[in-house]
Amino acid sequence: GENVEQHPSTLSVQEGDSAVIKCTYSDSASNYFPWYKQELGKRPQLIIDIRSNVGEKKDQRIAVTLNKTAKHFSLHITETQPEDSAVYFCAASISAGTASKLTFGTGTRLQVTL
Amino acid sequence: DSGVTQTPKHLITATGQRVTLRCSPRSGDLSVYWYQQSLDQGLQFLIQYYNGEERAKGNILERFSAQQFPDLHSELNLSSLELGDSALYFCASSVGRTNQPQHFGDGTRLSIL
Repeated sequence: GENVEQHPSTLSVQEGDSAVIKCTYSDSASNYFPWYKQELGKRPQLIIDIRSNVGEKKDQRIAVTLNKTAKHFSLHITETQPEDSAVYFCAASISAGTASKLTFGTGTRLQVTL
Repeated sequence: DSGVTQTPKHLITATGQRVTLRCSPRSGDLSVYWYQQSLDQGLQFLIQYYNGEERAKGNILERFSAQQFPDLHSELNLSSLELGDSALYFCASSVGRTNQPQHFGDGTRLSIL
């Protein structure tokens, strides 16, 4: 089955700096890659996603890049703010028709310090 | 608010018991997914239903079962509970077509004593 590795497990940055989280996946059939942010005790919230036919996607301070050849994708957060502090999960999905299976990475705890 | 409703929020029970977790998807969503989140296993996909039918299966234990009803709400049944089943159980929903975002509910925290 699909395996998703995520690095680093913890990341501490100063407010205003950039943060980068990297993930690799094993199954070349994966075709959808969402990123979720989870604050302590809360539900995972989708922050950005990318499909396999796109190499890069940006939404304000957040961007995701996908390299299908190398089977890795990354989350970039610029101008970090204290409210960006949370656990971030990458995921890879193999979807076919109405069937979809999301495999999550192990999470990155991002701490933005003042 | 994601529009996905999960009940109950908390559940405390004993080993060997059986519980039922309930999920109502967002209006218009046909797919429901169940996930287990524990400290040592992270977020694990359990099972997906689309319009009442099972569509995808993850590492779901045989002691666990689920179903989706005609009104599209779903229930996850956990039986013969063990201490290791203590976890957060999330339900998510999506429109159901390929590669559509999944939106998560607030979860049910299950504690086995």
